[in-house]
This record gives sequence, structure tokens and C-alpha cells, in this order.
Amino acid sequence: GQNIDQPTEMTATEGAIVQINCTYQTSGFNGLFWYQQHAGEAPTFLSYNVLDGLEEKGRFSSFLSRSKGYSYLLLKELQMKDSASYLCAVGNYGQNFVFGPGTRLSVLP
Amino acid sequence: DVKVTQSSRYLVKRTGEKVFLECVQDMDHENMFWYRQDPGLGLRLIYFSYDVKMKEKGDIPEGYSVSREKKERFSLILESASTNQTSMYLCASSTDRGSGEKLFFGSGTQLSVL
Repeated sequence: GQNIDQPTEMTATEGAIVQINCTYQTSGFNGLFWYQQHAGEAPTFLSYNVLDGLEEKGRFSSFLSRSKGYSYLLLKELQMKDSASYLCAVGNYGQNFVFGPGTRLSVLP
Repeated sequence: DVKVTQSSRYLVKRTGEKVFLECVQDMDHENMFWYRQDPGLGLRLIYFSYDVKMKEKGDIPEGYSVSREKKERFSLILESASTNQTSMYLCASSTDRGSGEKLFFGSGTQLSVL
């Protein structure tokens, strides 16, 4: 199976840094993805890790450790518009993706 | 930009009705997916397709069927709608099969079955 866990909710302050964790148990996967979903909208792609380590993309970074079954999304210089749900997903060979339950992030002024 | 279009944003149906949810993508993607999204459960895969007339069951296919007669269109069919199928339905597409290419999502259809 591919059980994926994320915290349900997080709160942070504008300008701060927040780390959203994702743990998984899986028999194997191609890559680990992070998506952002604003309320009432479709998910949009944020980042993708194939190899262990950190991938940086502006204010957003994502980290993967396959040996530990662990990933995190790091958001720096938080803005109000970053208030959204963040979805961790495992992409398998053959292109079927399995998503975690999502973490709802609230950014406060 | 890739565009994935779902035919309805909101839909209200009665128990027992046959329901069609349509999805069209305009970027010639090989792969198309149907997910449902429920609070606390995240996105769950119903069916996916790698090619025309090809379909694969996802994690929760019961009560659903799909049709892919053309590459750009992937339809989800609820043969006899039930109240537990009230949910947000999301269609997605991707390309480059087998390499973990990212998904592009439609804006979703909020289906209520009364």
C-alpha cells in the first residue's frame, strides 16, 4: 500500500517560514510531488523530487528522503496568498498518483 | 497553457439517475484521470486512461465507469447515482507516461446526489 500522512492543519504568520511534512509507506514510486490547492479551486503543481535532497524553487523548496519515507515542503517569506491546502502525492511508474489527505495552511497577518 | 475543462462546475442529481461528467484537454496528453475529493480523505483515484479506448481501475472504481473514445475527452459515468457519491470530482491529464510527469487539473465538478 501507499499510506501517506500529513498534518491536517497548520497556522503561521505572514513573513515567517513554515515546513509541511509528509510521510509515506510505499513499495516504490517514481517521484514525490507537492500541489497547492486554494479553496474552491483545482490543485496546481508546485514541485517534484525524484532524487533524495532539496529542490529549491523561489520561496518554495521541497525535500525528499526515500530511506526515511519522508518529504517536506518549505515555504519562506509567507504571504497571505499562501493560505491554501498543500497536497503531497506519490507518482508511480505507469502514471497513477496517490495523494495524501492534504494540509490546510492558514497565514495570519 | 494546458487547459483541462470540465463541463459543469456544479451539478445536482437524484438518487438512481445516470450521470455523465465530461472532461476535455487541449494539449494532446496521453494520460487522463478521474479523482474524487472528500474532506479528510484527500484525492482518491477512480479511473485512469493511457490511451484512447483504454482504461484502468483506480482505488475506488465501484459504482463508476469511464469512456475514452477520443484522445482529448475522458468521461466519468455514474450508472445509478447514490448519495455517497456526493463529492468534488476532479479530472486531470498528463503526458510522458512513466516518468512521473505532473498532473494538470480541471476546475472540478461539485456533484450533489439527493
